[in-house]
Amino acid sequence: DSGVTQTPKHLITATGQRVTLRCSPRSGDLSVYWYQQSLDQGLQFLIQYYNGEERAKGNILERFSAQQFPDLHSELNLSSLELGDSALYFCASSSGQGYYGYTFGSGTRLTVV
Amino acid sequence: AQSVTQPDIHITVSEGASLELRCNYSYGATPYLFWYVQSPGQGLQLLLKYFSGDTLVQGIKGFEAEFKRSQSSFNLRKPSVHWSDAAEYFCAVVPAYGGSQGNLIFGKGTKLSVKP
Repeated sequence: DSGVTQTPKHLITATGQRVTLRCSPRSGDLSVYWYQQSLDQGLQFLIQYYNGEERAKGNILERFSAQQFPDLHSELNLSSLELGDSALYFCASSSGQGYYGYTFGSGTRLTVV
Repeated sequence: AQSVTQPDIHITVSEGASLELRCNYSYGATPYLFWYVQSPGQGLQLLLKYFSGDTLVQGIKGFEAEFKRSQSSFNLRKPSVHWSDAAEYFCAVVPAYGGSQGNLIFGKGTKLSVKP
């Protein structure tokens, strides 16, 4: 157990739907990162939050959004889902800016049918 | 362009044989360097990291990596592979410039298969 908790582990939904992925960071970590892993794109950085504030954005689609709450857990919202959004979504956390590495959760596998 | 390259998509080695996984980066300044491992259906686990100092770093599970500035490389090695090492290995960097925000940038990964 890495200390980073992601729920749910698996999610199957239909095209056009909206889902919410949840992440609880390791105790004491203030930064949360979201990554998407797909066969064709590999591991892509989506977005980072630090202590409730958005710090950096990567290749995140406009249909996707995220937030970090006062208790430091984070949610990634995916809307108007398309078949191509099927992927593993990872959350990671770090104590600061992440220069010393992150701790990853076990991921949420999203299947859009 | 800035990138992390793992030239080998898939490598097969025999159990007990030595292993070297290659990683090259293309950044102006030496970034922070990492190797992660992902077992099937699992998240990513940090094997080792390099920031500065001794260019040979030791990690968990008997892995080591050597940073070579002249070759912009950070290759992962293990002297004797075990069947449980079968997994996918990712090289990653955090660019060491002011605007990087400390975000990990990953290579495409190398899948390791181990023959009995």
